[in-house]
Amino acid sequence: GAGVSQTPSNKVTEKGKYVELRCDPISGHTALYWYRQSLGQGPEFLIYFQGTGAADDSGLPNDRFFAVRPEGSVSTLKIQRTERGDSAVYLCASSLMGTDSYEQYFGPGTRLTVT
Amino acid sequence: AQSVTQLDSHVSVSEGTPVLLRCNYSSSYSPSLFWYVQHPNKGLQLLLKYTSAATLVKGINGFEAEFKKSETSFHLTKPSAHMSDAAEYFCVVSPFSGTYKYIFGTGTRLKVLA
Repeated sequence: GAGVSQTPSNKVTEKGKYVELRCDPISGHTALYWYRQSLGQGPEFLIYFQGTGAADDSGLPNDRFFAVRPEGSVSTLKIQRTERGDSAVYLCASSLMGTDSYEQYFGPGTRLTVT
Repeated sequence: AQSVTQLDSHVSVSEGTPVLLRCNYSSSYSPSLFWYVQHPNKGLQLLLKYTSAATLVKGINGFEAEFKKSETSFHLTKPSAHMSDAAEYFCVVSPFSGTYKYIFGTGTRLKVLA
C-alpha cells in the first residue's frame, strides 16, 4: 500500500517568507508526528496529533511554527517569518494507534532551505 | 528525562566482518526501543523493535539487537557486513509517556570497506 507522502520534496524560500509543508499519512493511521532533522543530527520531535487534535506540541521551537490536521488525515506544518536556522529536513510519520509497538512509518521528508 | 546515546558517530568495517553499533538509553519508564536505518536520500526504515517481549530481537537484513536492562543498552549487531549496509543508523527510544513520541540518538554512520 501507499506509504507516508510529503510535499514538496524540496522548498527554497527567502528569509522572512511563509511556508507550508504537507504530509499525507498512511490511510487509517490516527497518529501523526512531525520531526525536524538538521544536518548531521538525529530527528527531533516537533508535534504529535491524535486524530484532529494536537496532543503534544512541546517540540515546536517557537510561535512561528504551527501545524494543523483539520480532518484527521492530511497535516500541514506552517512556518511564518522563516529564518535561516529553520533550514532542515522536515519529516512526517504516522502510526496506527492501539498497536503494541508504537511503530512509526516515516515519509521521505521535505528539505527546506531558507536563503 | 528520557534520552538515547549512540556511542560512535562513525564506524568502519570491512565487508564480511561483524558489525556492532552501540546504543545506551535512559528512561524513567519501561521503554520501547527501535533501530532505524537511513540510506542517502531515502526515508527512515525500521530495522527492528523491542517492546518488552523477547530481549533478543531479530530484524530485517540479518540485523539483531539485544535489550539489556541492567546495562541500559540496546546494541545493534550483524554477523557479516554487506556493502549495501552502508548508511546512517539511528537508535530510538519511545518512552511510555502517553504521546509515543520518538527520541532519536545522534546517529552512527556505517562505512563498509571492500
